[in-house]
Amino acid sequence: GAVVSQHPSWVICKSGTSVKIECRSLDFQATTMFWYRQFPKQSLMLMATSNEGSKATYEQGVEKDKFLINHASLTLSTLTVTSAHPEDSSFYICSATPGGTNEQFFGPGTRLTVL
Amino acid sequence: GQQLNQSPQSMFIQEGEDVSMNCTSSSIFNTWLWYKQDPGEGPVLLIALYKAGELTSNGRLTAQFGITRKDSFLNISASIPSDVGIYFCAGQKTSGSRLTFGEGTQLTVNP
Repeated sequence: GAVVSQHPSWVICKSGTSVKIECRSLDFQATTMFWYRQFPKQSLMLMATSNEGSKATYEQGVEKDKFLINHASLTLSTLTVTSAHPEDSSFYICSATPGGTNEQFFGPGTRLTVL
Repeated sequence: GQQLNQSPQSMFIQEGEDVSMNCTSSSIFNTWLWYKQDPGEGPVLLIALYKAGELTSNGRLTAQFGITRKDSFLNISASIPSDVGIYFCAGQKTSGSRLTFGEGTQLTVNP
């Protein structure tokens, strides 16, 4: 089956620092990856759509200068949370769709805690 | 952003019982997906539905794509303790496009 990995699985950082989260499709190529954020006891909320070789498309209310997305290859997308603050603490999850299918496969998520 | 209306919000059942949950939307989706999420992990795809009226099974799980394309349900038969988790429905308008998620159903199975 299609496997998506994320690194790191959890990270704790100080307020004001930047954190980079990687999302990789391990056994397929993905021209599009999606980044979600999930707060405790809530559903997944789409943050942005990451397109290989072009700029990401951000959802309304998501600051593109704060959440930098880079999709440099067909198997890797990165999300950088810049100048993180405690309110950015959340569970960040990526997903990817193998070419020729309609199914999104999710990574295991990254738990970010900002102190 | 838009979310699907998923119910019930939570369920507490005894092992062996059957479970049913559903999602409704005010707009049409061309694909319906059901995911299960365990604590601290990403969602795992259970069933994907592509045609209105389609009924698909995956082991003890059965899901249907509503004929109006505005709803879907998931049934779990003969529940077991490892069925515990949060179940999400998701709708997709077009192939490869963004997913819209339901609020989730927290399932607890008592042995």
